[in-house]
Amino acid sequence: ETGVTQTPRHLVMGMTNKKSLKCEQHLGHNAMYWYKQSAKKPLELMFVYNFKEQTENNSVPSRFSPECPNSSHLFLHLHTLQPEDSALYLCASSLQGAMSGADTQYFGPGTRLTVL
Amino acid sequence: QKEVEQDPGPLSVPEGAIVSLNCTYSNSAFQYFMWYRQYSRKGPELLMYTYSSGNKEDGRFTAQVDKSSKYISLFIRDSQPSDSATYLCAMRSGAGSYQLTFGKGTKLSVIP
Repeated sequence: ETGVTQTPRHLVMGMTNKKSLKCEQHLGHNAMYWYKQSAKKPLELMFVYNFKEQTENNSVPSRFSPECPNSSHLFLHLHTLQPEDSALYLCASSLQGAMSGADTQYFGPGTRLTVL
Repeated sequence: QKEVEQDPGPLSVPEGAIVSLNCTYSNSAFQYFMWYRQYSRKGPELLMYTYSSGNKEDGRFTAQVDKSSKYISLFIRDSQPSDSATYLCAMRSGAGSYQLTFGKGTKLSVIP
């Protein structure tokens, strides 16, 4: 596989469930990101990891818990979500993170999450 | 005032038309400007990237940045049905910042 992959592509969960989203990048990048994309709203940055260290948390509720075991893998653990959390969750990676202003982010296909 | 304004459309044009997509922004610190294309049920893919003011051309696509007016544009010449997608503008201030600020996206349909 090449690029940025995400699994599952679709997920339906109840408000009391616990689930995890997985992202893997095959680009040799050092920074990984989680974004939320809701209808009629701009992409919202949720978390940033640079060299496996979390460097940004944009006031995301604790029911979303990220994990980055290495520079190639990123997880988003979900528990007790709300219906308004239904959205497309996108993972991205970039080579240098904030070290270079020219650094560009490459996105995965996303996980379409529906919370019932 | 939102940081980045982008008309969500939808925008429908006939095949072969020239398409103009635009974003305005309020933060004068933005230096790097990007256009992403997002097909239905896919993630955004980087289409064009420009630094500071000026033009950049890549095939049928031209990106323009006017920092004095805080205005960026993407032009698509000889538009094709395969160009039908949502186009997202994005920008960032520079080194030291992870934050990409996106517009809401403009949905484009090119009619054969």
